[in-house]
Amino acid sequence: DARVTQTPRDKVTEMGQEVTMRCQPILGHNTVFWYRQTMMQGLELLAYFRNRAPLDDSGMPKDRFSAEMPDATLATLKIQPSEPRDSAVYFCASGLGLDWEDTQYFGPGTRLTVL
Amino acid sequence: TQLLEQSPQFLSIQEGENLTVYCNSSSVFSSLQWYRQEPGEGPVLLVTVVTGGEVKKLKRLTFQFGDARKDSSLHITAAQPGDTGLYLCAVQKSGTSYGKLTFGQGTILTVHP
Repeated sequence: DARVTQTPRDKVTEMGQEVTMRCQPILGHNTVFWYRQTMMQGLELLAYFRNRAPLDDSGMPKDRFSAEMPDATLATLKIQPSEPRDSAVYFCASGLGLDWEDTQYFGPGTRLTVL
Repeated sequence: TQLLEQSPQFLSIQEGENLTVYCNSSSVFSSLQWYRQEPGEGPVLLVTVVTGGEVKKLKRLTFQFGDARKDSSLHITAAQPGDTGLYLCAVQKSGTSYGKLTFGQGTILTVHP
């Protein structure tokens, strides 16, 4: 049963610290998405990749956030420095990338708390 | 202003009851998706509706896309505790690139045994 995996599942850190979240997309999927979910804003797209190339990161605060795909099996989202307002659940999703209506398979999320 | 307005925001019902949740917009969409998210998990796609007036059934769930393709509804018959979760609708905003989904704020459904 192929699944998107994310690590860590929970992260508590102090303001100013660097945070790195990792995602392993489903093998064979060529699109990877990063989302952030908060009670106030709901689920928002931060960035996405196709064939490891960033296609759109307009939803991401550029000054402190960065997203990369070092290889086809790993996507990372980094926050440096972290701030309390970054507290949220961060989801990674992957898909086949054939059409926008293709199923995006979400991981279980990383719950980030910045104190 | 939200692109997608979901209602109600919260719904608490007893097992066996029927319910309908709504996803409305002033914009027209080529298609719309519904997701369910359980606590501690990511959203899971339930259905994609693509044709105005289309009705899709998934066991006890019935999805409808409005004739004008501006709104959609999800009806659950004889709700069960396993239906508890956050129900989200999502669309691709016109003029945006592939895969850029915009989600509604969701309806939190609780079904009590």
